[in-house]
Amino acid sequence: DAGVIQSPRHEVTEMGQEVTLRCKPISGHNSLFWYRQTMMRGLELLIYFNNNVPIDDSGMPEDRFSAKMPNASFSTLKIQPSEPRDSAVYFCASSAASGRARNEQFFGPGTRLTVL
Amino acid sequence: GENVEQHPSTLSVQEGDSAVIKCTYSDSASNYFPWYKQELGKRPQLIIDIRSNVGEKKDQRIAVTLNKTAKHFSLHITETQPEDSAVYFCAASNEGGKLIFGQGTELSVKP
Repeated sequence: DAGVIQSPRHEVTEMGQEVTLRCKPISGHNSLFWYRQTMMRGLELLIYFNNNVPIDDSGMPEDRFSAKMPNASFSTLKIQPSEPRDSAVYFCASSAASGRARNEQFFGPGTRLTVL
Repeated sequence: GENVEQHPSTLSVQEGDSAVIKCTYSDSASNYFPWYKQELGKRPQLIIDIRSNVGEKKDQRIAVTLNKTAKHFSLHITETQPEDSAVYFCAASNEGGKLIFGQGTELSVKP
């Protein structure tokens, strides 16, 4: 298995532009998590899905952030409009909800976002 | 609300010494406690985890202990090596699968 796949790996954009981050979870995993990591705030959970349904989006900072999971193999995190304070590394992770390895989260390589 | 406190925030040891990182959690329903290692510029990677039905788990030079009564768990690394230098995160979750992470410990192993 290729593991969790994220794209793009790096994104540089200007303030006000729309940014879309993409994630493909590990095949067979039914939970997907979006995290943001900064020096100041550490690793923050933004939102997570179980079986493609958003369960907890309390970590989404504001209405400029939205996330979707149209099917079991794809999710997007969108920021519109982007601001310089959104600059961070965004990680996607996935896990299985059952079995011996349940709840073990595997992280993707991350997307380093820079908003100028 | 749910919270995980991790200490220390930085830890410096000599190669060959042991390192201990401690975490406490607030949600008594937590039953899964993973530890992640994150090297500079890389993703967090799971190094060891423990579930609430055991008190200790060991994997070569790393071990984790869990005290459910006191709601704390610890990571122990023995015979540290320079390649152990990284940021370590503890986390806790309940059956829902949502992980609450600690603030991280930057471990530096000096040769």
